[in-house]
Amino acid sequence: QQQVKQSPQSLIVQKGGISIINCAYENTAFDYFPWYQQFPGKGPALLIAIRPDVSEKKEGRFTISFNKSAKQFSLHIMDSQPGDSATYFCAASRTGNQFYFGTGTSLTVIP
Amino acid sequence: DTAVSQTPKYLVTQMGNDKSIKCEQNLGHDTMYWYKQDSKKFLKIMFSYNNKELIINETVPNRFSPKSPDKAHLNLHINSLELGDSAVYFCASGSFARATGELFFGEGSRLTVL
Repeated sequence: QQQVKQSPQSLIVQKGGISIINCAYENTAFDYFPWYQQFPGKGPALLIAIRPDVSEKKEGRFTISFNKSAKQFSLHIMDSQPGDSATYFCAASRTGNQFYFGTGTSLTVIP
Repeated sequence: DTAVSQTPKYLVTQMGNDKSIKCEQNLGHDTMYWYKQDSKKFLKIMFSYNNKELIINETVPNRFSPKSPDKAHLNLHINSLELGDSAVYFCASGSFARATGELFFGEGSRLTVL
C-alpha cells in the first residue's frame, strides 16, 4: 500500500512559471514531511522540509504548503528555471521510523 | 569529503553471478539504509540498520543480504543475480531519533544484469 501518493508523474513548465507538485498521506502519526530533489546520475538530496505544526515554509523560490486536516502537502517552485529540471520526491516519516517516499515527479523547465 | 560514498558506481554482470556493493558514511549517523530505484524512478526501501542492528527488512528476496560491520558501513551482497535486479541501488544514512530526520544519499550504484 502506497503510504504517500504523489502527483503529477511528470510536469513541463515554461521558464519563469510556477511548478506545483502535490502529495497526500494517510498516517496521521507522520511528523516530518521532506521534499527531495534528484538530478540524473545523482542521489536524492534534501530540498526543503516541514513539520505539521506550521502550514507553510518558504526557502528562496521553494515553498511547502501543508494542510493537516486534508492530509496533503505540496511543493511550489516559483520562477521555475531550467536548472530546476529534476525528479522531485515527497516523503513522510515519523521520528525514529522509516521514510515513505512518493513515486516521484519528473519536472522539465523549458527555456 | 563525500558524506555517503558507494562503490562501485557502475556494475555490469551476467545472470547467476554474485556481486557486492559497499557503502560508507562519515557523518556519524547511527542508521543506514539501502534503497532500490527502478527504471520508473520509484525509491523502494530494502533494508535499514541502526547501530549495526537490522531494523527494517522489507519484502526482498533472500538473495539480498546486507552486512553492517560497524555503524559507518553497510554493504549489500546479492547472490544469483537475475535480470530484474537491474536497477540503481542507493545507500543512505540518517540519525534514527534526530528531530530533523534528514536522509543523506550516496550517488548510487547502477547494476546491470545481462
